Amino acid sequence: NAGVTQTPKFQVLKTGQSMTLQCAQDMNHNSMYWYRQDPGMGLRLIYYSASEGTTDKGEVPNGYNVSRLNKREFSLRLESAAPSQTSVYFCASSEISRGNNEQFFGPGTRLTVL
Amino acid sequence: SQKIEQNSEALNIQEGKTATLTCNYTNYSPAYLQWYRQDPGRGPVFLLLIRENEKEKRKERLKVTFDTTLKQSLFHITASQPADSATYLCVSNTGGFKTIFGAGTRLFVKA
Repeated sequence: NAGVTQTPKFQVLKTGQSMTLQCAQDMNHNSMYWYRQDPGMGLRLIYYSASEGTTDKGEVPNGYNVSRLNKREFSLRLESAAPSQTSVYFCASSEISRGNNEQFFGPGTRLTVL
Repeated sequence: SQKIEQNSEALNIQEGKTATLTCNYTNYSPAYLQWYRQDPGRGPVFLLLIRENEKEKRKERLKVTFDTTLKQSLFHITASQPADSATYLCVSNTGGFKTIFGAGTRLFVKA
């Protein structure tokens, strides 16, 4: 079991460029999440997908779009990157029915926007 | 707005001592609180969950308390080891699938 995998691990973009961050989980979880982590701040929820076929905005959705491609995969797209989107991005998955919403995180993508 | 606050200063303790980390929440009443561990360059890893109707939860050398009057959770690591050095995150639900994370407290355990 690989758990949650993310690609790429590192990325440097120029302002205005676009890119998609990929995430996949092999735990058959229904719910998946995208967070960003900035120095001195807690992880902030960008978007989440409660189940396959649904997506909802989190705390900081502006500038991002998501696609829940199937039960395993949940991608995050930056259409026109801005320096303010420089951050570490984490994908997570969970199975709410287990009663504790324990989230399993990927290793993160470190994104720099110049 | 709903907030979780953790001590932003790093906690330095000697090996073998008990580390105590604090999490305070404001403007809401979470149904549960979770604690995660995060090592540099890695994603958080779940450690423990405590529900609002539980006063204390233990797992090996870890103990978590939940005081709904003080709006606070304490996270204890007994007989701490250098391998316990990491950042510890307090997390709570805010309804449905949404959670909020504290910024974390960095723990250093010296041999």
